[in-house]
Amino acid sequence: DIVMTQSPDSLAVSLGERATINCKSSQSVLYSSNNKNYLAWYQQKPGQPPKLLIYWASTRVSGVPDRFSGSGSGTDFTLTISSLQAEDVAVYYCQQYYSTPALTFGGGTKVEIK
Amino acid sequence: QVQLVQSGADVKKPGSSVKVSCKASGGTFSTFPISWVRQAPGQGLEWMGGVIPAFGSPNYAQKFQGRVTISADESTTTAYLELSSLRSEDTAVYYCARSSGTYSPYDFWGQGTLVTVSS
Repeated sequence: DIVMTQSPDSLAVSLGERATINCKSSQSVLYSSNNKNYLAWYQQKPGQPPKLLIYWASTRVSGVPDRFSGSGSGTDFTLTISSLQAEDVAVYYCQQYYSTPALTFGGGTKVEIK
Repeated sequence: QVQLVQSGADVKKPGSSVKVSCKASGGTFSTFPISWVRQAPGQGLEWMGGVIPAFGSPNYAQKFQGRVTISADESTTTAYLELSSLRSEDTAVYYCARSSGTYSPYDFWGQGTLVTVSS
């Protein structure tokens, strides 16, 4: 199985400031035939199931605010929240869907307000 | 809009089994993969296994092989997770999740089912 490693485990950011979360996969999740990275980001708030935010490493799901952006390729990826809002407090997970059926997740990054 | 509605919370004794259901509505059921993901208290997300209902052959994480059974009933558009030989470490919220294809992330999730294993 592909191992996904996130960093940091947690971060505290002031309202309006940038939050950056990193995700590294143990092998490339870039499929050369279509040049797509099989990497997704989820947001999970307390007591709720995860919510898909971004897929193909950088495509936002419809309705997700544009302050959320994803970048990276191959084995190294980043989720950026450009201007943190109070409602963004959550745990964020990356997931690879390159190697199925086991769609493995990173360990999660908890984002809090400083 | 696809909705996945799971069965309610359950308390089980160590050594027993639990069966969690996931009723799908609002979309095509048979040809989209349904997976089960669990989350222990304060922990991350762990894939347990999945099935494409029309194909019927589930896949399981090696960690759960021999203890887990995943099935789907096309007539009732319901997927099931059964976990046996329960131990305290199986206390977790169990989620069903649907992908739009084999190589797709989970775009729809159930609300989660808390299973507590306690003597």
